[in-house]
Amino acid sequence: EAAVTQSPRNKVTVTGGNVTLSCRQTNSHNYMYWYRQDTGHGLRLIHYSYGAGNLQIGDVPDGYKATRTTQEDFFLLLELASPSQTSLYFCASSQDIQDTQYFGPGTRLLVL
Amino acid sequence: GDQVEQSPSALSLHEGTGSALRCNFTTTMRAVQWFRKNSRGSLINLFYLASGTKENGRLKSAFDSKERYSTLHIRDAQLEDSGTYFCAAEAGGNYKPTFGKGTSLVVHP
Repeated sequence: EAAVTQSPRNKVTVTGGNVTLSCRQTNSHNYMYWYRQDTGHGLRLIHYSYGAGNLQIGDVPDGYKATRTTQEDFFLLLELASPSQTSLYFCASSQDIQDTQYFGPGTRLLVL
Repeated sequence: GDQVEQSPSALSLHEGTGSALRCNFTTTMRAVQWFRKNSRGSLINLFYLASGTKENGRLKSAFDSKERYSTLHIRDAQLEDSGTYFCAAEAGGNYKPTFGKGTSLVVHP
């Protein structure tokens, strides 16, 4: 199974804070995704990428930036965190757009 | 084994007809979400259910946590409905969502 790791696993910040969530996948998948999971809303796509240097906008991109620095690494950036961004964040990767997505363990973010 | 079994894996419909997709779960799930992945790779959120049924246009979904299944019904299928449909189930807590393997739907004129 593809290995997708995320760091940190838990993060607490204050309103207006600067947060970077990291994701690394070691199976050379082309596609990487960032989701947030909230009770009542389920899984929602923030940003995704099909390769190093590429970025595609997802369904809920406002307040988030992302950068795919290498084939393996995809970062989610919250430059001015707000309480509405308190959530459980998942990273995922897949070889191609129609392939199974492999998820990381998640990062729980609390914005006070 | 897989926690989420999605069927069928492929489906071909003529315009105007309908069918149902199903996801069976091997364990109790807290909620289920249905997506359609279009040709650009975007995941389109169709439904999120913690129980009961929801309807939106020609789509209707049901989720029964106790019986461990969810369905997605498509009626009066249109060409633009073509794509791959996924269910994703939440077990709760910090568990990552578990996706079904997808149903590839092709709608023919």
